[in-house]
This record gives sequence, C-alpha cells and structure tokens, in this order.
Amino acid sequence: ELKVEQNPLFLSMQEGKNYTIYCNYSTTSDRLYWYRQDPGKSLESLFVLLSNGAVKQEGRLMASLDTKARLSTLHITAAVHDLSATYFCAVDGRERGAQKLVFGQGTRLTINP
Amino acid sequence: GAGVSQSPSNKVTEKGKDVELRCDPISGHTALYWYRQSLGQGLEFLIYFQGNSAPDKSGLPSDRFSAERTGGSVSTLTIQRTQQEDSAVYLCASSLFARGGYTFGSGTRLTVV
Repeated sequence: ELKVEQNPLFLSMQEGKNYTIYCNYSTTSDRLYWYRQDPGKSLESLFVLLSNGAVKQEGRLMASLDTKARLSTLHITAAVHDLSATYFCAVDGRERGAQKLVFGQGTRLTINP
Repeated sequence: GAGVSQSPSNKVTEKGKDVELRCDPISGHTALYWYRQSLGQGLEFLIYFQGNSAPDKSGLPSDRFSAERTGGSVSTLTIQRTQQEDSAVYLCASSLFARGGYTFGSGTRLTVV
C-alpha cells in the first residue's frame, strides 16, 4: 500500500524562525506535490517536484526531493504570520496497477508574532 | 472554465436522503479525482477517472457511494442513504493528463443531520 507520512503534524513557531516539514513515502515515485490549505478553503498548489534532486523555491518556502531516500522537505525561512496554514504533500504512485495520488496527513503550521 | 467548479458549495441533508455532488473539471483535462476531507483530517481518496478507462473505485468507502463521468467531462458523486459519518468536505481535482499537475475545486461541504 502506498503510504505518505508527514512530520510533524502540528508545528507552532515564532516569526523569523526557520523550520522544515518532512514528507516520507513508501514506494517509488518521481513526482511529488506540495499543497497549502487555509481554513475552510481548498488546496492551493505550491510545488511540483519531478525528479531526484529537484529543488524549487517560492518566497520563504523551498521544497526538495530525494527519490532515493523517498523523502521530500518543505523548508520555511524566516517565517511570517501569513504562512500559517496546513501543508500537504502528495505522491503519484501506482497501487495494484492503478494510478493514484496519495496525500500525507498534513502539517498544521501556526506562526506566532 | 478557468478552474475546477464544484456545486453545491454547501449541502445540508437529512440522514437517509440521497445527495448528488457535481464537479466541472477544467476543459480538456482528462484526469479527475474525488477526495473526501473530514474535519481537521487529511484527504481520503475516493475515485479516479482517466480518459475513457474504467475508473479506479478502490477508495469508495461503501456501496452507498458511486460516481460517474459523462462525456469525459462533468462528474457526479452520488451518496445514497446518507449517514452522519458522511459529513465532510468533498473535493474534486482535475489534471490535463495522468500524473500532471492537479487543480482542486473549492469543494462541497456536506452536512448530514
């Protein structure tokens, strides 16, 4: 079974600090997605990582992918309150011959002034 | 349209009634997913349509749930004899092709009373 695990699930941090969210997955995949979700809203696409060693940055967020370790990270630099949201990673994989996009549990990020 | 459109945005129904949730994907997108998100939880895969292939129904939680996609475009998720545990946000996503970047709709918030 394709599993995607994020940690931490909850993260409370102060503005200006750096932190990393980790996303591990259980099967071979070369395509990983990061999404942001604000309370009561749908999912907003942040990054699509397509190959081993891929690194993408947008503002204070940087995502990377290590397909050999089956690990992606989402790094937050000098956090600001506006980044408070829930962040999901998702992996494209095949399970029982079927293509499926499987999500992690989400990391609820709260950034305090 | 410019994005994935879902209707209704909110639905309150009585236990035991049937409901239909609609998803209009981005024009030309061949892949379409339905997910369910319970309060404060991650995304649970329900069903996946890819072009004219048989849908992957492996995520449907019971035989009360069914979905169809007409003409490779609009999809309807039907829940028969709704139960309180069906209360959740139902999200639809579409992609230009299998394993492409996915765009999510705003979701339908279903409340079963």
